[in-house]
Amino acid sequence: NAGVTQTPKFQVLKTGQSMTLQCAQDMNHEYMSWYRQDPGMGLRLIHYSVGAGITDQGEVPNGYNVSRSTTEDFPLRLLSAAPSQTSVYFCATNMNTEAFFGQGTRLTVV
Amino acid sequence: QKEVEQDPGPLSVPEGAIVSLNCTYSNSAFQYFMWYRQYSRKGPELLMYTYSSGNKEDGRFTAQVDKSSKYISLFIRDSQPSDSATYLCAMKKAAGNKLTFGGGTRVLVKP
Repeated sequence: NAGVTQTPKFQVLKTGQSMTLQCAQDMNHEYMSWYRQDPGMGLRLIHYSVGAGITDQGEVPNGYNVSRSTTEDFPLRLLSAAPSQTSVYFCATNMNTEAFFGQGTRLTVV
Repeated sequence: QKEVEQDPGPLSVPEGAIVSLNCTYSNSAFQYFMWYRQYSRKGPELLMYTYSSGNKEDGRFTAQVDKSSKYISLFIRDSQPSDSATYLCAMKKAAGNKLTFGGGTRVLVKP
C-alpha cells in the first residue's frame, strides 16, 4: 500500500521546456490536489480534482495544466517552464480532513 | 491579505519546554481546523484536527479553536528534539475537501 507516489523526486529544467510531474494514489480517494511550497508561503493550491474527468483551478493555476482520466492518476503539466516555477511540488489526496501527501518533487528552472 | 496567517518563526525552545503555535484566519466559513507536521524534505502529515470551537488533546499535543476570535492554537508539552519540524495549520469548510494552509512555523527544540 504505497499511498501517494510522485515522480520524479528531483528535476532541473531550462526556461521554456515542458514537463509532466506524475502522481498516483492507491487509496481510492476521489479528491486529489497539487500544491507548490515556497519558503514562507506555505502550501498553495495549484489545481484540484473531485473525481475522474473533473478538474478545477486553485489559487495559483497559471502556467500549469492537469487532467484526471482515472481515479488513481493526476499528472501536473508545466507548459513552458519559468524560473518563477522553481519550487517544491506536492501531490495529495484527502478524504475530509486528512490529506495524504507524496514525497514531493523539487523542481529547479534555470 | 491571506485567508490564513501563521508566523513563520523560527521558534527555538529548550527540550522540555512548552511550544505554543497559532494561526489566525479571516473566513468564517471554515469549520474544520487541522495541524500538520512536516519534517525536512518530507510531505506534511496530519497531527490532529478539531471540528468547530473547543479543545482537543492527544498525548502531549493540545489544539484549541476560538471561532469568535478566528484564532487557533497548538500546544506541545514536554517538547522533544524529535518535535523539530515545520507545523502548518490548515482549515476546511463544512462541505468539500479543499484545504487552505497557513505558511507554516518552523520549530527547533534544542537538547
